[in-house]
Amino acid sequence: ETGVTQTPRHLVMGMTNKKSLKCEQHLGHNAMYWYKQSAKKPLELMFVYSLEERVENNSVPSRFSPECPNSSHLFLHLHTLQPEDSALYLCASSPTGLAGGTDTQYFGPGTRLTVL
Amino acid sequence: AQKVTQAQTEISVVEKEDVTLDCVYETRDTTYYLFWYKQPPSGELVFLIRRNSFDEQNEISGRYSWNFQKSTSSFNFTITASQVVDSAVYFCALSTSGGYNKLIFGAGTRLAVHP
Repeated sequence: ETGVTQTPRHLVMGMTNKKSLKCEQHLGHNAMYWYKQSAKKPLELMFVYSLEERVENNSVPSRFSPECPNSSHLFLHLHTLQPEDSALYLCASSPTGLAGGTDTQYFGPGTRLTVL
Repeated sequence: AQKVTQAQTEISVVEKEDVTLDCVYETRDTTYYLFWYKQPPSGELVFLIRRNSFDEQNEISGRYSWNFQKSTSSFNFTITASQVVDSAVYFCALSTSGGYNKLIFGAGTRLAVHP
């Protein structure tokens, strides 16, 4: 079984829809992350969770709402999105979430989101 | 400020050629960590290597090698005898000590290896 899985792999939604992205990690890690990858910008960190507590919110608009019910699952709830939110959303996990030499992030395959 | 620059946007080579992907970083921290990731067309970022700032020893893993030079703030990646399966976008990233693990990515270099 792959380490980090994401569903759905592709999502098309209208600006008034509400949808959720799901991430699951099978690595026994304690930290999980959401990143946004758009065509015009480098990979941007959105949120960091360590032991189910949000420890970083990188100035993300409130139309993106993360949820981490346990250390293996991470959700990104989406509502009232804009076309410029169309991007690849990547989830990652790492052992501790603490900056340091042993904490490497492992990524899932991403969800390709298109907002019409 | 912390920054990672990958000046090469796209590189195109023919199979079996050697290719070097450049990465230049900026940080004022004395302890930091450098990473390379590969992103194939499937989208997943695949971890390739991590190097800490105190270890300037170059590393070789099969056809892959990395050259870390603090004097020039560079962490370059060389693929020897490239293969079509090496076609991907390659990202260099930086994280520093203290606080939470936040990766700062470069813009990526798209490598196309043609048969």
